Amino acid sequence: GAGVSQSPRYKVAKRGQDVALRCDPISGHVSLFWYQQALGQGPEFLTYFQNEAQLDKSGLPSDRFFAERPEGSVSTLKIQRTQQEDSAVYLCASSQTGVNSPLHFGNGTRLTVT
Amino acid sequence: SQQGEEDPQALSIQEGENATMNCSYKTSINNLQWYRQNSGRGLVHLILIRSNEREKHSGRLRVTLDTSKKSSSLLITASRAADTASYFCATRFYTGGFKTIFGAGTRLFVKA
Repeated sequence: GAGVSQSPRYKVAKRGQDVALRCDPISGHVSLFWYQQALGQGPEFLTYFQNEAQLDKSGLPSDRFFAERPEGSVSTLKIQRTQQEDSAVYLCASSQTGVNSPLHFGNGTRLTVT
Repeated sequence: SQQGEEDPQALSIQEGENATMNCSYKTSINNLQWYRQNSGRGLVHLILIRSNEREKHSGRLRVTLDTSKKSSSLLITASRAADTASYFCATRFYTGGFKTIFGAGTRLFVKA
């Protein structure tokens, strides 16, 4: 079946603009994760949903970052008033329920803030 | 924050040689997973080892877990040029939900 889909693939924003990044998880996957990956680094945890409930948002860097998953399927990561340090690849992953279910990743959205 | 630390940060070997990557972590875990990432792509799950397991095999992959030392290793045997990628360990633990935290990764380069 289809994998995790993220859009857009690339986004260039001027500093101060708002951006919205979309994630379509694998159908039926209950858990959804957002990560931020800087060049040459590992993915840094941002937030985690189980269905529509945001169970952990401890990794969101500031109150400019906001994530939602209103119907327990598609998720949107919104960044307000973008800054240059927000430039990174934003990865979305989904998984089935169960602690031993692996994460399935999309190819990410590369955000460049100029 | 990242819980896992991998070493080496980078590894360059000849095709046919074995590659060993190590991962250390800080807190108690439910399981530890290894992922692979090719440049410009998302991560792909390779293998999962549960906290009550000590060793697991999958094809050319062998993973060990030592919970007393909070460490794991990934061995890739008979490496191929196509194994060139970044490899990340990830730990899963419960904090009101099951969080998965990644390390900084090992960049493996296999020379043909």
